[in-house]
Amino acid sequence: DARVTQTPRDKVTEMGQEVTMRCQPILGHNTVFWYRQTMMQGLELLAYFRNRAPLDDSGMPKDRFSAEMPDATLATLKIQPSEPRDSAVYFCASGAGLAGYNEQFFGPGTRLTVL
Amino acid sequence: DQQVKQNSPSLSVQEGRISILNCDYTNSMFDYFLWYKKYPAEGPTFLISISSIKDKNEDGRFTVFLNKSAKHLSLHIVPSQPGDSAVYFCAASAFQGGKLIFGQGTELSVKP
Repeated sequence: DARVTQTPRDKVTEMGQEVTMRCQPILGHNTVFWYRQTMMQGLELLAYFRNRAPLDDSGMPKDRFSAEMPDATLATLKIQPSEPRDSAVYFCASGAGLAGYNEQFFGPGTRLTVL
Repeated sequence: DQQVKQNSPSLSVQEGRISILNCDYTNSMFDYFLWYKKYPAEGPTFLISISSIKDKNEDGRFTVFLNKSAKHLSLHIVPSQPGDSAVYFCAASAFQGGKLIFGQGTELSVKP
């Protein structure tokens, strides 16, 4: 049963702390996406990778957010320092083919609360 | 600048009736459109898609219609079932880049 996994599922932290979210894409998928869901903006694309190379991170606040793929089975999203406005659900998704042109498969999300 | 818009945050429908969810887009470069369904505490799951060379795609109870001239697409669910109650996101992609741009979502409630 191939699925995208994300850890942790829930994270509560204090303002200023570093937060690291992890994602394991579906084996064989070559494209990985990070999204953020908020009530006001819906699903926003933060960054995505193809074959582990970053293709677009224009949706990400560069001063505090960073996304990496240390290997094909792990993608990370870090926030340092975290702020209350970062509170949201963060989703990872993976896809196969050209930039995940077809449907993307989403993980269950990490609910982040920054106090 | 919201390139994909779902203007109805919520929709309530009686079981057995038709549900129609709407989506508008502004970017004429979009050529591939998708609908995702999301249950609470889960990630979105792919439902149905349509390429810009078509104006209709059907999969069981779900049909997506695309009106390119109006830059509008809609998802029809017939008949609606209580298990269809979820948030529905439409998304669009242009060939270049291929990343998906999502709307804000519409919460569908199907009442028995």
